[in-house]
Amino acid sequence: AQSVSQHNHHVILSEAASLELGCNYSYGGTVNLFWYVQYPGQHLQLLLKYFSGDPLVKGIKGFEAEFIKSKFSFNLRKPSVQWSDTAEYFCAVRAGGGNKLTFGTGTQLKVEL
Amino acid sequence: DGGITQSPKYLFRKEGQNVTLSCEQNLNHDAMYWYRQDPGQGLRLIYYSQIVNDFQKGDIAEGYSVSREKKESFPLTVTSAQKNPTAFYLCASSILDLAKNIQYFGAGTRLSVL
Repeated sequence: AQSVSQHNHHVILSEAASLELGCNYSYGGTVNLFWYVQYPGQHLQLLLKYFSGDPLVKGIKGFEAEFIKSKFSFNLRKPSVQWSDTAEYFCAVRAGGGNKLTFGTGTQLKVEL
Repeated sequence: DGGITQSPKYLFRKEGQNVTLSCEQNLNHDAMYWYRQDPGQGLRLIYYSQIVNDFQKGDIAEGYSVSREKKESFPLTVTSAQKNPTAFYLCASSILDLAKNIQYFGAGTRLSVL
């Protein structure tokens, strides 16, 4: 069964700092990759997704992620974070042609003013 | 206003009691899912359904049951056999087309044991 690892459980940054959150998965075949975000008190919502094509994908609010197949990674990046980016971020993988998503354990990001 | 509606927002369960969480969607999605979210553990799949009157167990189905009598509805029952039910429960839905399959989530139900 596939698994997803998010190595950073809690990250604290100052506004304008750069962000990179790690995500690694364990599946050798075709994958679809997702980053979801859960702002305090809000729905889980999609930040960005990779299905195929350009491995550098851009999402909402200035976020981007790069799929590196050889490293089984899909790290999330943002050049300059804002206080409003404070949230929990989840990486998810769909593998093997099914509909099931496997989620990582999440990274709690706190951005300080 | 399209989306996924979960109710209630908060639910309390007494020992030995079964409780049912509601999930309704008006997105015309074929597939629906139930996840459990615990701090530090991410989301874990409980059950999912790709078509009316059919559903499959996810990774942590023990102590839970579901039904899918209508396309729009996918209620989850937390039975007395679930010994640690306190968690945040999320319902999601999606189309079946794998080339465009994105799961959309409801606002969740927080279940606590009295």
